[in-house]
Amino acid sequence: LAKTTQPISMDSYEGQEVNITCSHNNIATNDYITWYQQFPSQGPRFIIQGYKTKVTNEVASLFIPADRKSSTLSLPRVSLSDTAVYYCLVGSNTGTASKLTFGTGTRLQVTL
Amino acid sequence: DGGITQSPKYLFRKEGQNVTLSCEQNLNHDAMYWYRQDPGQGLRLIYYSQIVNDFQKGDIAEGYSVSREKKESFPLTVTSAQKNPTAFYLCASSVGLAGASYEQYFGPGTRLTVT
Repeated sequence: LAKTTQPISMDSYEGQEVNITCSHNNIATNDYITWYQQFPSQGPRFIIQGYKTKVTNEVASLFIPADRKSSTLSLPRVSLSDTAVYYCLVGSNTGTASKLTFGTGTRLQVTL
Repeated sequence: DGGITQSPKYLFRKEGQNVTLSCEQNLNHDAMYWYRQDPGQGLRLIYYSQIVNDFQKGDIAEGYSVSREKKESFPLTVTSAQKNPTAFYLCASSVGLAGASYEQYFGPGTRLTVT
């Protein structure tokens, strides 16, 4: 089981770039890395997913080093509305869904 | 509009009663999931289903039961055997079993309070 470790919380000012790192030392060959965002009393929302190197979409970038033992979610120029909890998941769709464990996530607070 | 609906948003029950939480999706997804979230905590997987008439236990299935008679529906019953049922319950679905390539789409959640 690929356990993940993230910082409990982070603070940022509006307009700054935020980088949230997730450690997953036991990542398996078939595992992908997925990040979700959750606002209070709502279901999580998919942000980005990757396997290696770099993935970029309209809201974020995901950096994965060659050894894949960690990954970094990068949010460019955050705004107040980016205040949320961010979860890193590591798993594959082979076998069972028992790897779908959301840790406590990283609580990002954005202020003016 | 395509999506996942959960009802009701808030649910109150007395201890010892079974209660069923509804989850419906019109995304034509094969896989569906139930998670539990306690205050300040992450999500824990209760049950999941990859296909109609099949479901598997997740990490914390004790005291819960599910059924998957239709592709679009995956109701969760919280039984009286669940020792601490008060929590925020989230239903999700994905095209295939989540992980590689398949993102999960979550419903708005049901907050269950048992007194």
